[in-house]
Amino acid sequence: DGGITQSPKYLFRKEGQNVTLSCEQNLNHDAMYWYRQDPGQGLRLIYYSQIVNDFQKGDIAEGYSVSREKKESFPLTVTSAQKNPTAFYLCASKASGGPGPFFGPGTRLTVL
Amino acid sequence: RKEVEQDPGPFNVPEGATVAFNCTYSNSASQSFFWYRQDCRKEPKLLMSVYSSGNEDGRFTAQLNRASQYISLLIRDSKLSDSATYLCVVTNNNDMRFGAGTRLTVKP
Repeated sequence: DGGITQSPKYLFRKEGQNVTLSCEQNLNHDAMYWYRQDPGQGLRLIYYSQIVNDFQKGDIAEGYSVSREKKESFPLTVTSAQKNPTAFYLCASKASGGPGPFFGPGTRLTVL
Repeated sequence: RKEVEQDPGPFNVPEGATVAFNCTYSNSASQSFFWYRQDCRKEPKLLMSVYSSGNEDGRFTAQLNRASQYISLLIRDSKLSDSATYLCVVTNNNDMRFGAGTRLTVKP
């Protein structure tokens, strides 16, 4: 089946710890994105990547890092520098010139 | 001014009603437009693209007004299952901007 997978679905982290969220797609999409959604709010762009080994900061990149070593994979690391990391994290991908993006099921991160 | 603004809602309508949402955008160079549906605690799912000539998919009609820089979504004959949050998306190349969403509740 083609699609976007994210893991884990739920993640709990202690303050001061870094954590990495996985995002994989087998849709052969060039562009991939990470968004954050807080309760009752819209999506805010963290990072995006249009091609392998290249990525750009979005509106709220501070405290986050990404890599794009493979077309299929775009992991997001939430570092201890992110002050309010508890949120719903959504990964998405899009084909150049195509509709979308298409979202993965999301990861709910809770900092304890 | 936000780049993409939506009616905040909530919209509470009876079954069978017709309901319309608007979304305004500030970047006149925007190229592509979409409506998404998001159910509670789930990811957004693409509902439909929005074309300049307007387009229809069953009970759903999307319109684009480039001169006034807004898009709209019309839902006819509302069903209980239409209850969700509707997000508009405005794109310029791969730069995509989401509205905050409009919450719709369809009641029996």
